[in-house]
Amino acid sequence: DAKTTQPTSMDCAEGRAANLPCNHSTISGNEYVYWYRQIHSQGPQYIIHGLKNNETNEMASLIITEDRKSSTLILPHATLRDTAVYYCIVRVPSQNFVFGPGTRLSVLP
Amino acid sequence: AAGVIQSPRHLIKEKRETATLKCYPIPRHDTVYWYQQGPGQDPQFLISFYEKMQSDKGSIPDRFSAQQFSDYHSELNMSSLELGDSALYFCASSLGVLYQPQHFGDGTRLSIL
Repeated sequence: DAKTTQPTSMDCAEGRAANLPCNHSTISGNEYVYWYRQIHSQGPQYIIHGLKNNETNEMASLIITEDRKSSTLILPHATLRDTAVYYCIVRVPSQNFVFGPGTRLSVLP
Repeated sequence: AAGVIQSPRHLIKEKRETATLKCYPIPRHDTVYWYQQGPGQDPQFLISFYEKMQSDKGSIPDRFSAQQFSDYHSELNMSSLELGDSALYFCASSLGVLYQPQHFGDGTRLSIL
């Protein structure tokens, strides 16, 4: 699996957009980008995934650069409940996920 | 929507005892994964099963074994428990092993005294 690099921590004001970057410069052509989050020892929660096109669902948007070497997860209106560790994972189909270390996002009132 | 069910939620054992953790995947999901998360650590992959066959193996100790049954539920069997086995154990399921995301249960917290 390609290595990913994420900021250790980030702060975001409640109600503002949270933009979480992820660098995956060694990603290969068939590796997908997945985002998960973990809220205080709960099970990791799936957010979104993509291959090369931008994706959007009810939780977030995923923007992948054209060269696929980096991506950004966007939470459009962050709430206090979005405070969590966010993991960016790249994975070849059929392989397991490698977590860590992720970005600790703190949403501030 | 139905989620991944893990039981028990909490388990306390003593050293050298055995433990069995159970996982019931989301209906129609045919692939199950097990992860271990120690205190202050990130989840680490242990083992996975697709259609009742082991599909991948990670850092699972030889003292641990797992299987997936005909109804797709899975059990993680742990023997000769050590203090270092105290952790959260997560199960995840997916539809197939390719690109579909894994969906995680709420975990079993195992404490070894």
